[in-house]
Amino acid sequence: GENVEQHPSTLSVQEGDSAVIKCTYSDSASNYFPWYKQELGKGPQLIIDIRSNVGEKKDQRIAVTLNKTAKHFSLHITETQPEDSAVYFCAASGGGTSYGKLTFGQGTILTVHP
Amino acid sequence: DTEVTQTPKHLVMGMTNKKSLKCEQHMGHRAMYWYKQKAKKPPELMFVYSYEKLSINESVPSRFSPECPNSSLLNLHLHALQPEDSALYLCASSQEHRAGVQETQYFGPGTRLLVL
Repeated sequence: GENVEQHPSTLSVQEGDSAVIKCTYSDSASNYFPWYKQELGKGPQLIIDIRSNVGEKKDQRIAVTLNKTAKHFSLHITETQPEDSAVYFCAASGGGTSYGKLTFGQGTILTVHP
Repeated sequence: DTEVTQTPKHLVMGMTNKKSLKCEQHMGHRAMYWYKQKAKKPPELMFVYSYEKLSINESVPSRFSPECPNSSLLNLHLHALQPEDSALYLCASSQEHRAGVQETQYFGPGTRLLVL
């Protein structure tokens, strides 16, 4: 089955800095890669996703890049703000019989210091 | 509107109790999911319903019993749970769940369950 590794497990930045979180996946058949933000006491919220026919996608301060050859994808947050502090999960989906099943990374705790 | 609602927000139950978790979405989605999330861990898939039929059961113990009364509602019936079942139970929905189509899953806020 699919395996997703996510790094770093914790990330601490100053307000205004950029933050980068990286994920690698094992199943070359995976073709959908969402990123979720989970604040304390809440459910995961989709912040951006990318499909395998696209190399990069941007939404305001958030961007995701995908390298299918290397099987890794990254989340980039620019001009970080304290409200960006949360746990971020990457996920992969789409390989073979595991269609529709999201395999999550272990999460990154992002702390943005004012 | 991408809202999935879940009730109750919190639930405390004894090991001999029977309780139910409820999930609702009005986005016209035909796939609904139950996930379990332990503290500081990612969500783990439990069940998938597609067009009101159980599509995936990830070898979940029978003390968890899902039900999909209609396309907008998803229930999780709990009976004879163990303390290790204490977790955040998340519901999610997506447009479809079928081979070759990767649909975005939208999560609810979860029910925090404590089993004593």
